[in-house]
Amino acid sequence: RKEVEQDPGPFNVPEGATVAFNCTYSNSASQSFFWYRQDCRKEPKLLMSVYSSGNEDGRFTAQLNRASQYISLLIRDSKLSDSATYLCVVNQAGTALIFGKGTTLSVSS
Amino acid sequence: NAGVTQTPKFQVLKTGQSMTLQCAQDMNHNSMYWYRQDPGMGLRLIYYSASEGTTDKGEVPNGYNVSRLNKREFSLRLESAAPSQTSVYFCATRHGTRSGETQYFGPGTRLLVL
Repeated sequence: RKEVEQDPGPFNVPEGATVAFNCTYSNSASQSFFWYRQDCRKEPKLLMSVYSSGNEDGRFTAQLNRASQYISLLIRDSKLSDSATYLCVVNQAGTALIFGKGTTLSVSS
Repeated sequence: NAGVTQTPKFQVLKTGQSMTLQCAQDMNHNSMYWYRQDPGMGLRLIYYSASEGTTDKGEVPNGYNVSRLNKREFSLRLESAAPSQTSVYFCATRHGTRSGETQYFGPGTRLLVL
């Protein structure tokens, strides 16, 4: 089983739609969780950290379910500029970050 | 601040040639990383350096060597390039605080080995 698994997509949605991405991780000792965004032919950039209580940043909401080892990202009111690949990232103490392969989102007008 | 810089941006090599990918950061972060990214494979860690003077292997170290020259610089060397090393290479630093941690990536080096 891969350490971090994501549905690769692509998710094709119209502007204004709500879209959700899921991610599962295999190591129950994982301590920190993140969503990164990567635009085509660019470097990944931190979108948001994911906390146990859930957190929201504008149109983006991240949730963590430790019992199910599951992380989600919800994007409301999708914009054309949200088109990108979203990477689920997990960390265990003292190790490097582990990246999922990413989920591709395409928002169309 | 430039953040994380990488040189070169693009490189074409012939099989068997050697080269060094350079990475530098001006953020005073202790940890630095080298990843490669291939279609369908995601980001895979090659080597990392938790602090100046230390380096450790990641998931895919074979065919590579690294040097943590000082706190700012972390280079990746291909001694004898192979077509399987055609990839996009990203250097990154990592910064942790009480409220969380962030990994900062350079713009990448696109390498083609013929």
